[in-house]
Amino acid sequence: EAQVTQNPRYLITVTGKKLTVTCSQNMNHEYMSWYRQDPGLGLRQIYYSMNVEVTDKGDVPEGYKVSRKEKRNFPLILESPSPNQTSLYFCASSLRDSNQPQHFGDGTRLSIL
Amino acid sequence: QKEVEQNSGPLSVPEGAIASLNCTYSDRGSQSFFWYRQYSGKSPELIMFIYSNGDKEDGRFTAQLNKASQYVSLLIRDSQPSDSATYLCAVNLSRSNDYKLSFGAGTTVTVRA
Repeated sequence: EAQVTQNPRYLITVTGKKLTVTCSQNMNHEYMSWYRQDPGLGLRQIYYSMNVEVTDKGDVPEGYKVSRKEKRNFPLILESPSPNQTSLYFCASSLRDSNQPQHFGDGTRLSIL
Repeated sequence: QKEVEQNSGPLSVPEGAIASLNCTYSDRGSQSFFWYRQYSGKSPELIMFIYSNGDKEDGRFTAQLNKASQYVSLLIRDSQPSDSATYLCAVNLSRSNDYKLSFGAGTTVTVRA
């Protein structure tokens, strides 16, 4: 089954404790991206990647890191999480770039205390 | 000015009626436009995408694009209770070598039985 898999689905942690949210897709897609969703603000793009070793900032990259060492994986790293990063996070992928429809993962709800 | 703006909603329509959702965007060179549906607590799923001016129909859904006026709309005909969800408009920004995807804040639709 074609899918985008995120882990964990839920995480409660404390300020400053490094965490990684994994994202994996099995569709051989080149484009992958991370979004956060907050009430009233819709989806905001954090980072995106056009292919292996090619990443670019979205609209809200501060406080986040990403890497793309393999085509299928695109982890989101919070080196020193803060409460304002409490949010619902989605990973998505598309065949080539942002001109194609995005396939979304199920989401990760992060709470930073 | 936000890059993508949608009717703030919520929009309440009776079952069987037409729901009309509007979206405007600021980047005149934008090329790709998407409508996603998001049920509460779920990830966005693609409803329609449109690249050219005019109408595009898929079942009960019609997307309308007017690049000169910089708006894209979604019509839902014969609305059903299962159409109750938040609808997100997404626009691919056209800047050279920039493959960001920008979302509106979403419009929540409630279909009254």
